[in-house]
Amino acid sequence: GAGVSQTPSNKVTEKGKYVELRCDPISGHTALYWYRQSLGQGPEFLIYFQGTGAADDSGLPNDRFFAVRPEGSVSTLKIQRTERGDSAVYLCASSGTPNTGELFFGEGSRLTVL
Amino acid sequence: EDKVVQSPLSLVVHEGDTVTLNCSYEVTNFRSLLWYKQEKKAPTFLFMLTSSGIEKKSGRLSSILDKKELFSILNITATQTGDSAVYLCAVNTHNTDKLIFGTGTRLQVFP
Repeated sequence: GAGVSQTPSNKVTEKGKYVELRCDPISGHTALYWYRQSLGQGPEFLIYFQGTGAADDSGLPNDRFFAVRPEGSVSTLKIQRTERGDSAVYLCASSGTPNTGELFFGEGSRLTVL
Repeated sequence: EDKVVQSPLSLVVHEGDTVTLNCSYEVTNFRSLLWYKQEKKAPTFLFMLTSSGIEKKSGRLSSILDKKELFSILNITATQTGDSAVYLCAVNTHNTDKLIFGTGTRLQVFP
């Protein structure tokens, strides 16, 4: 597609449930990033893929969070045993030019954990 | 720990005013500083700055970097209601390809 696509745009779940958030990057972009943004805060880095491999996962808060990108295109962020503190907007971004910082962001997935 | 601090947190102006947004940073192995505009959900890229003293300009927006004093400013002249948004500053380092964001400055422009 023309831009970064994220689904679902909104997800409401109950504490303890499992959720998956999907990101479809711009075609041809090899770098893909996941960020999390809480209200009134800037985006917080979670994980970065270069191709299929996670080049930097230092931002994942704990082992309940996991992300994959099996074919080097679409990525899925998986959250197990969700907690209320996981509520945030999860932003995905892609880049076709490595090491520039110029990222193209999707509209985000708003996760609400009740 | 790497950090990016933006000020002010919030700014309310009238159309036609000029505003200056500030971003200071403390990071190891600095590579570049970037400005993004976030109107609703998706941040959109404005500028990338790597060298001190060289102004980047796009229409009514301009930005400059001071690598000695570790800060950048984003200027918007003749503001319009469409400039209302959160302006995010981010820093990129040589250590990794991730961006470290500040909390943003919320700009509201009233007619």
